Order: sequence, then structure tokens, then C-alpha cells
Amino acid sequence: QKEVEQDPGPLSVPEGAIVSLNCTYSNSAFQYFMWYRQYSRKGPELLMYTYSSGNKEDGRFTAQVDKSSKYISLFIRDSQPSDSATYLCAMKRPGNTGKLIFGQGTTLQVKP
Amino acid sequence: GAVVSQHPSWVICKSGTSVKIECRSLDFQATTMFWYRQFPKQSLMLMATSNEGSKATYEQGVEKDKFLINHASLTLSTLTVTSAHPEDSSFYICSAQGPGLAGYEQYFGPGTRLTVT
Repeated sequence: QKEVEQDPGPLSVPEGAIVSLNCTYSNSAFQYFMWYRQYSRKGPELLMYTYSSGNKEDGRFTAQVDKSSKYISLFIRDSQPSDSATYLCAMKRPGNTGKLIFGQGTTLQVKP
Repeated sequence: GAVVSQHPSWVICKSGTSVKIECRSLDFQATTMFWYRQFPKQSLMLMATSNEGSKATYEQGVEKDKFLINHASLTLSTLTVTSAHPEDSSFYICSAQGPGLAGYEQYFGPGTRLTVT
């Protein structure tokens, strides 16, 4: 069993839709949670990062963490064609190594 | 802020030659840098963790003599693929983690596409 599971999709939605991207994890030691967006042939771009359970909002993006269920989500409101990319969740245990564990990534296509 | 650059962005080399890829943190000091490899339609695979001034820590299955990592300063890490072969063709991405940031997020470079012919 992988430590982090993420549905690879692809996920296709019409422009303006609310998008929900999710990851589950098995290791309760994870304390830090991140979402990255990666366009084709580019490096990942950090979108959101959270430390505790609850919601964090930044513009059209909302990150949600439920540690009791070992489940994290990223919501995108009013989705745009420019949001079409691969979204990767990543997690880290406490400590100084900084090693991130990534999900497989979900490919999102927002159609005009 | 938190910009990471990589050079070159794309390189083609002949089998048996060595290739060096640079990773720089442009506006912050990175005590720790990471090197990843990514195959098409797959997630990132961590190859090694490098700390400034010390030897890199390689992940299981990564040949340290083939993938040489140097982190000589707080803003520069290099990955050298020695005696490259076609199976080394991949997308190599670095990331940097600095003490001045929140402390646990990583910022990624744009990646380097290596093609070995």
C-alpha cells in the first residue's frame, strides 16, 4: 500500500465548475500537507501548505485537512482553462530531513 | 520570492558522456536541496537530499557513483549524471528548502529535460 494515494484522473470539468481534488494517506505521522500544480514540462509550483486540520483559503483555492480521516482536499472555485494542469499532493513528517511524500498527481482539464 | 532556477532547461548528450545540471536558489539561502526524477505521466521520485557542506543522502536504489551531487554553497547544488545512457533520459527537477521560509515547504525549479542518444 502506498503511503499517499491520489486518483490520477484525468478529471475534466467545464469552465466555472468547482473542482475537488483529494488524497488519502496511511501514516498518521504526517503533519505538514502541501498542494502543488504542475504544468506540462515544468517544475511543480507550490499552491497551498497547511500544518493542522481545518481549512485554509487563498483566492479561488481552499485546502482542507482532516487528520482523523487521513484525508486532504483541494477545492478550486470558478475553475478556468488556465487551471488545466496536474495537481500533486505532498506530505511531510516532523523533523529536519524535509523529505516529501508525493501522491501520483491528478490531471485536471478545464474546458472553455 | 522563493525562486529556484535550473540550468540547462534541456540537454541532449551522447551515451557515455557526463552532464552537469545546476540548481540555484535565487532569493533565499537553501540549507537543503532535493533532486527528483520524473518520468512521463508519473509523480516525482526523490533521488537524493543534499545539505550544504555535507555529503548527499541518496534514496534506496539510486546509484551514488552515477548521480553525483554537490551542494557547495547555500544557493547552489549540482547534479552530475556520469557516463549517461539512454535509460537515464528523464526530467530532473530540484527543489530547495530554506531556513527563512515556514520551514517545511519546498520550492521547485523548472526542471531539466535530459535526452541521452
